[in-house]
Amino acid sequence: SQQGEEDPQALSIQEGENATMNCSYKTSINNLQWYRQNSGRGLVHLILIRSNEREKHSGRLRVTLDTSKKSSSLLITASRAADTASYFCATDAGNTGNQFYFGTGTSLTVIP
Amino acid sequence: NAGVTQTPKFQVLKTGQSMTLQCAQDMNHEYMSWYRQDPGMGLRLIHYSVGAGITDQGEVPNGYNVSRSTTEDFPLRLLSAAPSQTSVYFCASSYSTAGGYTFGSGTRLTVV
Repeated sequence: SQQGEEDPQALSIQEGENATMNCSYKTSINNLQWYRQNSGRGLVHLILIRSNEREKHSGRLRVTLDTSKKSSSLLITASRAADTASYFCATDAGNTGNQFYFGTGTSLTVIP
Repeated sequence: NAGVTQTPKFQVLKTGQSMTLQCAQDMNHEYMSWYRQDPGMGLRLIHYSVGAGITDQGEVPNGYNVSRSTTEDFPLRLLSAAPSQTSVYFCASSYSTAGGYTFGSGTRLTVV
């Protein structure tokens, strides 16, 4: 079974709006990561947040982590058409190995 | 740097055939993993390795073998291909358990 689940499954917004997607996971973690996948391509690492962090920023990306609720959110501000992609969260299930488990992803469409 | 290189990009197999999906990275990463991606299922971990000579099973290891004789290479072998193994396969590597993964561009495999 997968560790993370993203919500919503699909999201469509106008260019310039903010996009928020959520990830819930099942067990304790050491860190959580977000990735982007453009159609037909491999995944690209966006940001990593550790279990002792609550918020992290990278450019137009803002990630929050609530370990008490076992959830994370990814906010993309001032979205652009180029942000159209699928977004996945990945968690390490709190173990010491490098096993990262991905959710099913959120498909984001930004309409120009 | 080439990053993570996967070959072939596309492959069609007949049921029962065997083949090896190649993965090589030139970043001296210790951690490497294989995932398969199916529609609506996200990415599922097949096998992973934390260093040369060390491999372990992920979520869906049945029907696949791996080996890690060098730091650079992590081939995935399909023993006897089945239609259920039709998928897109991604190889990924990371320098540590606290780092993001670098993904290859994927191998699209069809088993008929």
